[in-house]
Amino acid sequence: GAGVSQSPSNKVTEKGKDVELRCDPISGHTALYWYRQSLGQGLEFLIYFQGNSAPDKSGLPSDRFSAERTGGSVSTLTIQRTQQEDSAVYLCASSPRILAAMQYFGPGTRLTVL
Amino acid sequence: ELKVEQNPLFLSMQEGKNYTIYCNYSTTSDRLYWYRQDPGKSLESLFVLLSNGAVKQEGRLMASLDTKARLSTLHITAAVHDLSATYFCAVVLTSYGKLTFGQGTILTVHP
Repeated sequence: GAGVSQSPSNKVTEKGKDVELRCDPISGHTALYWYRQSLGQGLEFLIYFQGNSAPDKSGLPSDRFSAERTGGSVSTLTIQRTQQEDSAVYLCASSPRILAAMQYFGPGTRLTVL
Repeated sequence: ELKVEQNPLFLSMQEGKNYTIYCNYSTTSDRLYWYRQDPGKSLESLFVLLSNGAVKQEGRLMASLDTKARLSTLHITAAVHDLSATYFCAVVLTSYGKLTFGQGTILTVHP
């Protein structure tokens, strides 16, 4: 079956603009995670969804970052008033349930803020 | 705060040689993952280790977990060029699978 998909694959934006990144998890996967990968910080956890609720948002770097998930499926990560330090690859992962053996990662969205 | 440290961070190997990548973590956990990442690509799951003493093998890679020592190893046997990639270990502390990653080990296998 299809894996985790993310769009866009690349996004270039100007400082101060808002961006939306989309994640389509594997069908039926109830747990969804967002991570960020950057040169300076490595791979960092951002937020976790179980169904449509987000019990752990502790990794969101600032209040400019928000995320939602609808219908227990698609998730959108929104970054408002982007800054250059937001430039990174944003990765989404899903798993069939919490503490499942495997998290499956999408291809990522490479965000560049000029 | 959970810290996950890998070493070495850079590994240059000759084909046919053996080597081990180490992953140390600071807080007790019995769930550890190994991932592979090729340049410009996403993370590919290699192994999930779920208990003390767990050992998993796939081809030339073997991973093990010692929860008492808070240590996992990824052993490479008779390296080949196709194994060149970045390898990450990740530890789960929470009840819902939040991953904390090591820094990654960049492996380059030379002819």
